[in-house]
Amino acid sequence: GENVEQHPSTLSVQEGDSAVIKCTYSDSASNYFPWYKQELGKGPQLIIDIRSNVGEKKDQRIAVTLNKTAKHFSLHITETQPEDSAVYFCAASINSGNTPLVFGKGTRLSVIA
Amino acid sequence: DAMVIQNPRYQVTQFGKPVTLSCSQTLNHNVMYWYQQKSSQAPKLLFHYYDKDFNNEADTPDNFQSRRPNTSFCFLDIRSPGLGDAAMYLCATSRDRGPYEQYFGPGTRLTVT
Repeated sequence: GENVEQHPSTLSVQEGDSAVIKCTYSDSASNYFPWYKQELGKGPQLIIDIRSNVGEKKDQRIAVTLNKTAKHFSLHITETQPEDSAVYFCAASINSGNTPLVFGKGTRLSVIA
Repeated sequence: DAMVIQNPRYQVTQFGKPVTLSCSQTLNHNVMYWYQQKSSQAPKLLFHYYDKDFNNEADTPDNFQSRRPNTSFCFLDIRSPGLGDAAMYLCATSRDRGPYEQYFGPGTRLTVT
C-alpha cells in the first residue's frame, strides 16, 4: 500500500521567513495530494491540494509543488506569520473508489515573532 | 456555518464502559469517515461509509463499530474502551470517494479512566 514520509517533524522559522515541508510517496498510482493544517484542539483543515496533472499550484502565500518522477511534493509558505503556527499534514490518494487518504506524520511549524 | 459537527467535544468514560460518539454533517456528502488521532500522530482511518456501504480498515479492532442511520449522521461505538483508546476521534466527510477534499469536524477527545 501507499506510504507517505514527511519531513521535517518540527520546523521553527522567524516571522516573515519562508517555510518548506517535504513529502515523499511510494505508490506511483497516487494522483491527489492535499495539505492539511491542524491548529491545537481543532480538526485538520484543507489549505491547498494538487493533482498529478499539474506541477505547481499557488494560493496567496501558500504553494505546492509536485515532482511525479521523483514521487515527492512540497508545501511552501512565504512571509510566514504567527498564525501559521500549527501542525501540517501531507497526504496522498489514488483515484480509485475505495482507497483512503494516506497521511504523513505531520510537521509542527512554529513561527517566532 | 458548522458543516461537520461532533458531539460531545470531550468525553470521559470508564474502562470497559461502552461509549458512543456522534457526528453530523450539513454538506449532504456521500462519504463519512472516522479517524483516530493520538497525540503528535497523524489521523488513522478506522472506517468509512460510502452512502450505506460500510468499509472497515483491516487493522481496525473489533471493539470499534459504526452506524450511519441516514446521510447526515454517523456514530462511532466503542464497545469496551481500554486505556489505549484514549485519543481524539475525528469525523470527516467528502462528496465522493477518491480524490476529493475531506471536511473534518472539530473532533471528540476521549479520556478513559
